[in-house]
Amino acid sequence: GAVVSQHPSRVICKSGTSVKIECRSLDFQATTMFWYRQFPKQSLMLMATSNEGSKATYEQGVEKDKFLINHASLTLSTLTVTSAHPEDSSFYICSARAFGRTYEQYFGPGTRLTVT
Amino acid sequence: KQEVTQIPAALSVPEGENLVLNCSFTDSAIYNLQWFRQDPGKGLTSLLLIQSSQREQTSGRLNASLDKSSGRSTLYIAASQPGDSATYLCAVMNTGNQFYFGTGTSLTVIP
Repeated sequence: GAVVSQHPSRVICKSGTSVKIECRSLDFQATTMFWYRQFPKQSLMLMATSNEGSKATYEQGVEKDKFLINHASLTLSTLTVTSAHPEDSSFYICSARAFGRTYEQYFGPGTRLTVT
Repeated sequence: KQEVTQIPAALSVPEGENLVLNCSFTDSAIYNLQWFRQDPGKGLTSLLLIQSSQREQTSGRLNASLDKSSGRSTLYIAASQPGDSATYLCAVMNTGNQFYFGTGTSLTVIP
């Protein structure tokens, strides 16, 4: 149990376009989901925290108008990179916290975004 | 803000050797610490989770310790194998249930 999926696993888009990444908890309800970004040869950096039905909380330095997060249901959160630029190319990973399990999080397999 | 550092950044050892990876964090107010493995271009595989009240956890050839007061954790890998080659990340969970990740140790086990 406790599986988190991400879709797509890889995406290539042109500069200036928008791309949406989905994060789904497959067999549990996730009241909170987290989005991370990982640049090559660097560690994961927390971008934002989203609670179901609420606005996301963004980490300092992360543009909320550029990285739109929607957590409309207990099993789905989406990250939309708007007006993507080559510097947005990165590995995006989500994690989900199960309802009633405060300290357990489950990570998705990640999405590789390449902006050309 | 929590800062997590891992030493060494890279490590290369011959097969069969025991090794220790180090992790330090600046804010001891954590809920737990977790060690992950990441293969190139892949997501995270959870290895061991230590709650803040615990001192160590063991799983197979892996043993992780936690000294919360000094802000340190170690991951001990016994009898290393080529299949252990990967990047190892430690992460601490803060009071907001957010993970802060270390810089990672890239491990290569030479056959």
